Amino acid sequence: SQQGEEDPQALSIQEGENATMNCSYKTSINNLQWYRQNSGRGLVHLILIRSNEREKHSGRLRVTLDTSKKSSSLLITASRAADTASYFCATDVSSDYKLSFGAGTTVTVRA
Amino acid sequence: GAGVSQTPSNKVTEKGKYVELRCDPISGHTALYWYRQSLGQGPEFLIYFQGTGAADDSGLPNDRFFAVRPEGSVSTLKIQRTERGDSAVYLCASSRDRGEQFFGPGTRLTVL
Repeated sequence: SQQGEEDPQALSIQEGENATMNCSYKTSINNLQWYRQNSGRGLVHLILIRSNEREKHSGRLRVTLDTSKKSSSLLITASRAADTASYFCATDVSSDYKLSFGAGTTVTVRA
Repeated sequence: GAGVSQTPSNKVTEKGKYVELRCDPISGHTALYWYRQSLGQGPEFLIYFQGTGAADDSGLPNDRFFAVRPEGSVSTLKIQRTERGDSAVYLCASSRDRGEQFFGPGTRLTVL
């Protein structure tokens, strides 16, 4: 079973716009991670946010975490065509090494 | 350095056959994970190795699935009597202890 759920399922934006996607989860976590996947193959780790952190930045990425609402958001600013991919959130429950992934958000950036 | 590699990249087999999928983790990574990803879904955990031992195989769907890591490096996922429902992308990841997981490109398994 998958703990996380991403919203929306799909997102289409113009190059240069910002893209925001959300992740909700069910149980307490140790950390939450965001991954990108191109063409249904290998996943690339984007960012990890720990349960005691509320916001984290990495380049054009901004991640927030609200443990009281059991939700996280990923913001991609100034999107590029190369950002077209599926984005997944994954939860690590109490350093339980197993990652539990959501079904993902498919982002399409139009040139 | 080299990332996680998986072979083959694609495998087509017939229902009832036996298949082996191989994963070469990043050198020095003690932890190795197998996940399975069905179309339109996120990856689902199958099994986790710490060194040579399977620390957690609770994600294996049934006893047709088995994985080994005899020398604490390369791992092989073995599927007996394959079924059409086994068709998926099988992903391998490795990490230093329980840190960030680095994923391989996956093996796309198709059971006809």
